[in-house]
Amino acid sequence: GENVEQHPSTLSVQEGDSAVIKCTYSDSASNYFPWYKQELGKRPQLIIDIRSNVGEKKDQRIAVTLNKTAKHFSLHITETQPEDSAVYFCAASRGNTPLVFGKGTRLSVIA
Amino acid sequence: GAVVSQHPSWVICKSGTSVKIECRSLDFQATTMFWYRQFPKQSLMLMATSNEGSKATYEQGVEKDKFLINHASLTLSTLTVTSAHPEDSSFYICSARLAGVGEQFFGPGTRLTVL
Repeated sequence: GENVEQHPSTLSVQEGDSAVIKCTYSDSASNYFPWYKQELGKRPQLIIDIRSNVGEKKDQRIAVTLNKTAKHFSLHITETQPEDSAVYFCAASRGNTPLVFGKGTRLSVIA
Repeated sequence: GAVVSQHPSWVICKSGTSVKIECRSLDFQATTMFWYRQFPKQSLMLMATSNEGSKATYEQGVEKDKFLINHASLTLSTLTVTSAHPEDSSFYICSARLAGVGEQFFGPGTRLTVL
């Protein structure tokens, strides 16, 4: 089955700097790669996703890149703000299979 | 659109009792629902996949006789934790998926504490 590795497990950045979180996946048939933000005690919130027919997608300060050949995808947050502090999870699926999550990255944005 | 509700949001029970958690898709029909468990400071771990009208598919290591899943309609799936023990204390989150779409919509979660 699918296996998703996520790095780093914790990340601290100064407000205004950029943050990058990286994930690798094992199943070459996976074609859907979402990123979730989860605050303490709450449900994961989808912040951006990308499908395998696209190499990059951007939404304001958030972007995701996908390298199908290397089987890795990354989340980029620019101009970080304190409210970006949370745990971020990457995930992968074939579309008709359940999402498999990475272990998460705890992002702290220091004002 | 694509709202998923979960009830209760939290529950405290005594060891040995059973607890039922409901997951509802409010504005769409979900042919497939998923149940995840999340321990503190850990990731979401898939417990089972539930398809309407058929038996749930459990992940390796998840006891199907302990975690009973029923998906009787296209908008409701239930998870019953039978004979709960303190080690079952966790955050249980359901999600629902539209047919043919990869995105899963998550419920708000249920925090179970077993004393």
